[in-house]
Order: sequence, then structure tokens, then C-alpha cells
Amino acid sequence: GAVVSQHPSWVICKSGTSVKIECRSLDFQATTMFWYRQFPKQSLMLMATSNEGSKATYEQGVEKDKFLINHASLTLSTLTVTSAHPEDSSFYICSARDSPIGNEQFFGPGTRLTVL
Amino acid sequence: GIQVEQSPPDLILQEGANSTLRCNFSDSVNNLQWFHQNPWGQLINLFYIPSGTKQNGRLSATTVATERYSLLYISSSQTTDSGVYFCAVRGAGSYQLTFGKGTKLSVIP
Repeated sequence: GAVVSQHPSWVICKSGTSVKIECRSLDFQATTMFWYRQFPKQSLMLMATSNEGSKATYEQGVEKDKFLINHASLTLSTLTVTSAHPEDSSFYICSARDSPIGNEQFFGPGTRLTVL
Repeated sequence: GIQVEQSPPDLILQEGANSTLRCNFSDSVNNLQWFHQNPWGQLINLFYIPSGTKQNGRLSATTVATERYSLLYISSSQTTDSGVYFCAVRGAGSYQLTFGKGTKLSVIP
């Protein structure tokens, strides 16, 4: 199956700082990438969908100015958590599929963010 | 939006036992995937199965799209099978996967 990587795998930062998470498709071109958030013992919740070269589509309740998404190439999407606060601490997971109507989604290993 | 219900929420098995996990969904789907989330959080793709039956080793899955459910079978369970199993679907006309709440499986020696 297709491989998706994320970096970093974990990060600890101080309140008020910004953190950037990278998501890469290693062996395929990802026209569409997704960012999810998972709180402990809960399911995955979609935050936003990004298509290469266009603006991301955010789910209801997700602040687009706080969670900046850039999908500048077919193999890289980034999520920047701006002015992070302790309530932003969570497990962030990216996902990709290889065509706009591609069916199977592949997931990265996730990034655990802790904001002190 | 589409609703996804998984059962049971928790399952404890003795090593070597078999189990069946269920996923019910509320509308027509054009994608259904089963995942295993390991203790480190990585989602492992188990099956892409919007309809029909597939098998991979000790695991198999069946989706009956007309009746809006899918089943994941685990045979001869091993301790390494422990973790959370998620079902996720994409409804017809939708672009996103919707996840169920998962089944937490614990296999004890």
C-alpha cells in the first residue's frame, strides 16, 4: 500500500508559540490530503481537506486562522498550529489519497502535540 | 451526515479465540475501510471493502452494502491484535471518511 509520513512524530512547545507539522506521500502523488485530530480514547475527527494548489476546506468549528494548511505540492501538505494553547494538545493525523475520486485513504503515523 | 456505529465498544479475548466486530452505517457508501490503530497511534489499513468479502491471513471482512453493515472477523487472535479497530465510510456524493467510535480489543495470554 501507499506510504504517508509525518514529521515530527511528537512535539512539546510553550503556550503562544506556533508549530508546523509536515505530511508527505512517499510513493504516490496525493491530489487530496486530509487532516484529522484525535483526543485520548476518542475517534478521529476531520479538521480540513486540502487539494493541491487550492485553499483548504475546513470543517465546521475548526478555526482556519488557527490551523493553517498549505498543500503546495503533490507530495507535501503542512499544518501549522498558530499561537498554540494547552487545549490544542492532541494527536494530529494526516491522510492522503492518490486521485480526486480515489477510493482508498492512507494515513500517516500521527504527531502528538503537547502545549505547556 | 452519514452515521457510523461500531459494536461492541470493548472486547476482551483469550489468545486463540475468534471474534466478530460489526459496523453499521446509515446511508449508501462508496468507500468503507477497516483500520487497526496500534498502541503508538498508527492507523494500519486492513481492508478497503465497500462491498463483498475479502480475506487476509487470519482476518476477513464482509460488507453487505444493501443492508448497510460490515463485519470484521479475527480468527485465532494473538496478543499483537490488541488495539482499537475503526470502521470508516464515505457516503455517496461525499469527499470525506467518517469514522465510527471504534472497538477496543484486548487479547490476553
